Amino acid sequence: NAGVTQTPKFRVLKTGQSMTLLCAQDMNHEYMYWYRQDPGMGLRLIHYSVGEGTTAKGEVPDGYNVSRLKKQNFLLGLESAAPSQTSVYFCASSHGKREVDEQFFGPGTRLTVL
Amino acid sequence: GQNIDQPTEMTATEGAIVQINCTYQTSGFNGLFWYQQHAGEAPTFLSYNVLDGLEEKGRFSSFLSRSKGYSYLLLKELQMKDSASYLCAVVDSNYQLIWGAGTKLIIKP
Repeated sequence: NAGVTQTPKFRVLKTGQSMTLLCAQDMNHEYMYWYRQDPGMGLRLIHYSVGEGTTAKGEVPDGYNVSRLKKQNFLLGLESAAPSQTSVYFCASSHGKREVDEQFFGPGTRLTVL
Repeated sequence: GQNIDQPTEMTATEGAIVQINCTYQTSGFNGLFWYQQHAGEAPTFLSYNVLDGLEEKGRFSSFLSRSKGYSYLLLKELQMKDSASYLCAVVDSNYQLIWGAGTKLIIKP
């Protein structure tokens, strides 16, 4: 049981480049989330999904897109990276069977945009 | 607006007890989580409180007062491995998590 995995672990981009972050979970969870974590700030929700084929905007969705084509995978895309997107990105998942559930987090992706 | 306040950093001694406070002002309340996050790692679940009172889980306990918008995490018999950041998160009326910035706990021998 790998839990929640993220690839890549580290990435350096130049301004304007694009990339996709991959999140996978093997716990058969319905809900998946993408967060960013910046120094001195709490985790901020970018996008989330309540099931295969669904996505919704979180607190800071601008500049990001997501897709949930398969239940176990949740992809986060940056179409044109900006230095303000330098951050640590965490994916998380939860059962979705109750209104409030513990979230399980992946190890994070450290992204630097130059 | 929604706001979660925690101290930025705390220092404690190995073997001692420390209390990390969290105060919140949110649109609605459907519970409060505490997570632990070691440097460079993912947050991991510690506790969830939705009713007032103290919940004990081994060396860690979590307290909630909904009327005061206040929670604390109590860590007893501190160990060096408890050096980490402790994140408070409130579930708002839309069942979204609102996260505090975290408290970095430094344990000294």
